[in-house]
Amino acid sequence: DTAVSQTPKYLVTQMGNDKSIKCEQNLGHDTMYWYKQDSKKFLKIMFSYNNKELIINETVPNRFSPKSPDKAHLNLHINSLELGDSAVYFCASSSLAVGNTIYFGEGSWLTVV
Amino acid sequence: AQSVSQHNHHVILSEAASLELGCNYSYGGTVNLFWYVQYPGQHLQLLLKYFSGDPLVKGIKGFEAEFIKSKFSFNLRKPSVQWSDTAEYFCAVSSNSGNTPLVFGKGTRLSVIA
Repeated sequence: DTAVSQTPKYLVTQMGNDKSIKCEQNLGHDTMYWYKQDSKKFLKIMFSYNNKELIINETVPNRFSPKSPDKAHLNLHINSLELGDSAVYFCASSSLAVGNTIYFGEGSWLTVV
Repeated sequence: AQSVSQHNHHVILSEAASLELGCNYSYGGTVNLFWYVQYPGQHLQLLLKYFSGDPLVKGIKGFEAEFIKSKFSFNLRKPSVQWSDTAEYFCAVSSNSGNTPLVFGKGTRLSVIA
């Protein structure tokens, strides 16, 4: 069973569209994250949720809105997509109870055309 | 604020050569240190981690890293690389307190040639 799973894995969409990426973890972790990896492979934290509450919100356009219906899910909704949003988005989770090691999902490759 | 520097952007080695990838971090408190690997087109996988104790940590696939507190370094090593080690390697640090996110270095691309 995949510990952190994201859907879709690949997404190609036009500028201006609204899209969502879903993430679920079955590890029982209480903290979830969204990271963005740009074309130069640089990884940057976007959001962090602990027990469904937003605890970190880095400088991210407000077109990006995370939603955590429960502590096992953290979805990312993006409005009015722009070319610069093309990237790989990684969901991740962790728990202090297991040493705070962060486990990553397989990534969602978003291409905006 | 934490930051991580990886000195080498791209390293090219022949098979069986020894590997050392540099990583330095900047943070005033106690940290957790990680190395992740990303094979082409794949997600990040944990290679090894250091939280406390023996500063020489061993990870999967024959990798090890040494935490040198005085140098704020956590270099990754492997005595003999294989073609299958071709990947992007990321050093990362997080604070030892709370569920803090990882701060990543910019990555080092390793290309192993036969």
